[in-house]
Amino acid sequence: QVQLVESGGGVVQPGRSLRLSCAVSGFSLDYYGMHWVRQAPGKGLEWVAMITYDGRNEHYADSVKGRFTISRDTSKKTVYLQMSSLRVDDTAVYYCARDGASREVDVWGLGTTVTVSS
Amino acid sequence: SYELTQTPSVSVSPGQTVGITCSGDKLGDKDVSWYQQKPGQSPVVVICQNTKRPSGIPERFSGSNSGSTATLTIRGTQAMDEADYYCQAWDSSSVVFGGGTKLTVL
Repeated sequence: QVQLVESGGGVVQPGRSLRLSCAVSGFSLDYYGMHWVRQAPGKGLEWVAMITYDGRNEHYADSVKGRFTISRDTSKKTVYLQMSSLRVDDTAVYYCARDGASREVDVWGLGTTVTVSS
Repeated sequence: SYELTQTPSVSVSPGQTVGITCSGDKLGDKDVSWYQQKPGQSPVVVICQNTKRPSGIPERFSGSNSGSTATLTIRGTQAMDEADYYCQAWDSSSVVFGGGTKLTVL
């Protein structure tokens, strides 16, 4: 059974850092790219970052470029999102998601909530 | 940066057909996916590669994409279809989501 479980969310002050984790099961990270997608309260979906199936390339939304870093540890079956210089407008539910074979995001986790507030 | 535009809200009567549109520059040249998100839940893909329906998605969901507009069509709409719907495409190496359409089944 394919499953994605996010963790690491919480309340953090502006300017601080936080690392999110996504534990995957039921498939191998060696064959799938992975995304982080966020959703601010009452708002739509916003793509954040992606790491390719081979781990060689990372892509970021302009809104997080230079502040967020996506990475993975295939041995731990875990994908990470290191977030630094956090801003109030980074407040959102962060979803870990799998890149599908047809250029869709085919599997989503339940999300973890990040609140940036002083 | 590339943008996808959706109508914020659409309403439909049970049993009727509804189309939810997504527009973008030369969108017909891209592969479009559609996601359904119900309150408090994670998104679920209902259409990928413009017209493909993933396993488990009812046949009443269909998609098309031509020119600058992609359309998600729901035939015989049911109350359970009430949700937010998002279109999605790739632009270069970035994923782009539309702003979402809230579908109300009256």
